Amino acid sequence: DAGVTQSPTHLIKTRGQQVTLRCSPKSGHDTVSWYQQALGQGPQFIFQYYEEEERQRGNFPDRFSGHQFPNYSSELNVNALLLGDSALYLCASSLGAGARTDTQYFGPGTRLTVL
Amino acid sequence: GQQVMQIPQYQHVQEGEDFTTYCNSSTTLSNIQWYKQRPGGHPVFLIQLVKSGEVKKQKRLTFQFGEAKKNSSLHITATQTTDVGTYFCAGPLSGNQFYFGTGTSLTVIP
Repeated sequence: DAGVTQSPTHLIKTRGQQVTLRCSPKSGHDTVSWYQQALGQGPQFIFQYYEEEERQRGNFPDRFSGHQFPNYSSELNVNALLLGDSALYLCASSLGAGARTDTQYFGPGTRLTVL
Repeated sequence: GQQVMQIPQYQHVQEGEDFTTYCNSSTTLSNIQWYKQRPGGHPVFLIQLVKSGEVKKQKRLTFQFGEAKKNSSLHITATQTTDVGTYFCAGPLSGNQFYFGTGTSLTVIP
């Protein structure tokens, strides 16, 4: 039973560039949430996808966008990268429309460094 | 704004001592979840509490959800070096948005 997988593991970009991060949810899960975790802080909710639609969005600018595919995998896109976007990006999968009561399983994360 | 605060931010204990972290939400939570993140790792789900006043135990870990469902605690009895990490509480404060607490970093001194 595969857990949540994310790619790539590490990524280095320069300011102004664009980046795409990928996530495959745990087998049987249909909901994917993305989080940004800056060093020394707790994860901050970016958005959640269910049935290929963005269901909920945190306080992040439009530079952050996402997509969910029919197989439930998901992508996070960040445009016009800023130095402050450097962080660990975590994907979490769960079952059901929303994560109000569902356990979230986190992937290992993608470490993004913006120079 | 909506917040989930945890205290203390850091805790150093001698191996064998007990440890407690407290989580406080600005609003009532429908449920609260606890996660552990080892250094360099990702959050790992520990437990979910749903009912007011609920208490759950996992071996040396005891989790409690407050009567008002606005606070929670995690208590570890007789800490071991394997308990090292940052413990986060998290709960849905707005729709399906999960808010993570500020975390408590636990260091266990052998």
